[in-house]
Amino acid sequence: AQSVTQPDIHITVSEGASLELRCNYSYGATPYLFWYVQSPGQGLQLLLKYFSGDTLVQGIKGFEAEFKRSQSSFNLRKPSVHWSDAAEYFCAVGGGTGRRALTFGSGTRLQVQP
Amino acid sequence: NAGVMQNPRHLVRRRGQEARLRCSPMKGHSHVYWYRQLPEEGLKFMVYLQKENIIDESGMPKERFSAEFPKEGPSILRIQQVVRGDSAAYFCASSPPRGRTGELFFGEGSRLTVL
Repeated sequence: AQSVTQPDIHITVSEGASLELRCNYSYGATPYLFWYVQSPGQGLQLLLKYFSGDTLVQGIKGFEAEFKRSQSSFNLRKPSVHWSDAAEYFCAVGGGTGRRALTFGSGTRLQVQP
Repeated sequence: NAGVMQNPRHLVRRRGQEARLRCSPMKGHSHVYWYRQLPEEGLKFMVYLQKENIIDESGMPKERFSAEFPKEGPSILRIQQVVRGDSAAYFCASSPPRGRTGELFFGEGSRLTVL
């Protein structure tokens, strides 16, 4: 069965500081990996995705993520955080024969200090 | 191009009543997914539907919950005899018929409160 672990429930960073949100997955084959962001009271917006190829993927809003197969990780990074980045971030894994639904991690809530 | 539309955005029900949540997928999308988000938790998969077919309902509770996606009209998630534990945000997502696995587009959710 596929699963996603986001070990950090809550992270606080200062505006302008760098950010890394951790994501580890368990999956039996090559996974499709995603990061979504959710602002309070809103739906989920796709930040970036990995299907194959270059293991460093670029997303919207200056985010990037790196797929490391040996570590079963897909960590999200941003070199300089903006106050508007405060939100909840979800890592998700997809794929699987005949099943297209995603499995989500429990999320990491990001707070940005001025 | 309108996104995924969910209504109502907020719904209040008393215990024992029925809740109906609607989802209109993006134009051209024929796959619909329902997820539930309990307070302070991540999203849990409930059901995956195509037009007139339930493809995967492995995440649906065995009782009181049902979902449909008719040939015409929106997808409906129905919860009968609601209990307080059903209070949650219910998100619908859609994907195109030949999209890559998991490339989902989400609505803004329907927030159910059971009194």
